[in-house]
Amino acid sequence: DGGITQSPKYLFRKEGQNVTLSCEQNLNHDAMYWYRQDPGQGLRLIYYSQIVNDFQKGDIAEGYSVSREKKESFPLTVTSAQKNPTAFYLCASSKYIVRSYEQYFGPGTRLTVT
Amino acid sequence: DAKTTQPNSMESNEEEPVHLPCNHSTISGTDYIHWYRQLPSQGPEYVIHGLTSNVNNRMASLAIAEDRKSSTLILHRATLRDAAVYYCILRDVSTYKYIFGTGTRLKVLA
Repeated sequence: DGGITQSPKYLFRKEGQNVTLSCEQNLNHDAMYWYRQDPGQGLRLIYYSQIVNDFQKGDIAEGYSVSREKKESFPLTVTSAQKNPTAFYLCASSKYIVRSYEQYFGPGTRLTVT
Repeated sequence: DAKTTQPNSMESNEEEPVHLPCNHSTISGTDYIHWYRQLPSQGPEYVIHGLTSNVNNRMASLAIAEDRKSSTLILHRATLRDAAVYYCILRDVSTYKYIFGTGTRLKVLA
């Protein structure tokens, strides 16, 4: 089955630790995205990538970093510089970024930092 | 960035049609109108999108006003599985970004 995999579903970390969230897709999509969702709110764009080895900051990139070494993978690192890291993180992909192609979302990772 | 306005919540009876409205008065000529829905603790699911003409797919219909300042997502027969938060989103094809609002929480009554 084609789709997007995010792991783990739940993640707990102590304050001050960096943590990396995994995102893998087997849809052969060029574009990938990371969003953050806080309770009762819509999604906010953290980073996006149009192609391998290229990525751009979204609206709330501070305290986050990404890499895109393979087409299938777009991991997100939440660094200790992110002031409020506890949130629901969603990864998405789309066939292309420049046309109006729909995005496919993964199941999300709920990160809790204490 | 163009924004959308949706009612916070709506209710519908099962097996009846549902019309979910969305206002986007600042829409530009290149903005596509997208609809997604999200169940609790899950990622959003694509529903439908359009630019100017009305669109139909197996999930829903999208009716776009002639001036494009508003649109309506139509679920032809609501089921309990359609209970979700529905997001109306504009996407500018030059900036690539979706701007998510808080959406409409649809409750379907059995």
